[in-house]
Amino acid sequence: AQSVSQHNHHVILSEAASLELGCNYSYGGTVNLFWYVQYPGQHLQLLLKYFSGDPLVKGIKGFEAEFIKSKFSFNLRKPSVQWSDTAEYFCAVSLLKAAGNKLTFGGGTRVLVKP
Amino acid sequence: EPEVTQTPSHQVTQMGQEVILRCVPISNHLYFYWYRQILGQKVEFLVSFYNNEISEKSEIFDDQFSVERPDGSNFTLKIRSTKLEDSAMYFCASRKGQGGNQPQHFGDGTRLSIL
Repeated sequence: AQSVSQHNHHVILSEAASLELGCNYSYGGTVNLFWYVQYPGQHLQLLLKYFSGDPLVKGIKGFEAEFIKSKFSFNLRKPSVQWSDTAEYFCAVSLLKAAGNKLTFGGGTRVLVKP
Repeated sequence: EPEVTQTPSHQVTQMGQEVILRCVPISNHLYFYWYRQILGQKVEFLVSFYNNEISEKSEIFDDQFSVERPDGSNFTLKIRSTKLEDSAMYFCASRKGQGGNQPQHFGDGTRLSIL
């Protein structure tokens, strides 16, 4: 069964600092990769997704992620964070050919951006 | 932007009682999902639903759980005889169509507390 791991449970940083959140998955087949964000009191929102093509994916709010197939990784980055980026970030994977395309989530990383 | 809506936002129920969690997926979406997140743990897949039948379910989704699409808009999760360990946040999600390149859209969740 596939699994997803996120390396950091909590990250604290100051505004304008750069952010990188690690995500690794265990499945060796063809996967779809996602990053979701959950702002306090809100629902999970899609930040970006990778299905095929350019492994560097750009999402909303200045976020990007790079798929490195050889490392089974899909790390999320933002060059300069803002206070409003305080949220919990979830990496998720689905199998390309699975009937229901269920998502398998990582444990999430809580990011606190200090003003 | 269309949203997935869930009701109630918080449900408190006595152990052994039946509970129904309700979801209204985005109107032109065809695939529906339930996930749950126990406090401090990962978001876990429960079940996926397409064309009026379950397409995939997890080990968690045992005989006490059922899903239904009673009309053209609602998608419900029923827990027949609740246990303390069913206390969690339950998320509904929907996806537009076939193919892995359609992301899932999530509702705000229902916090279920079993006493």
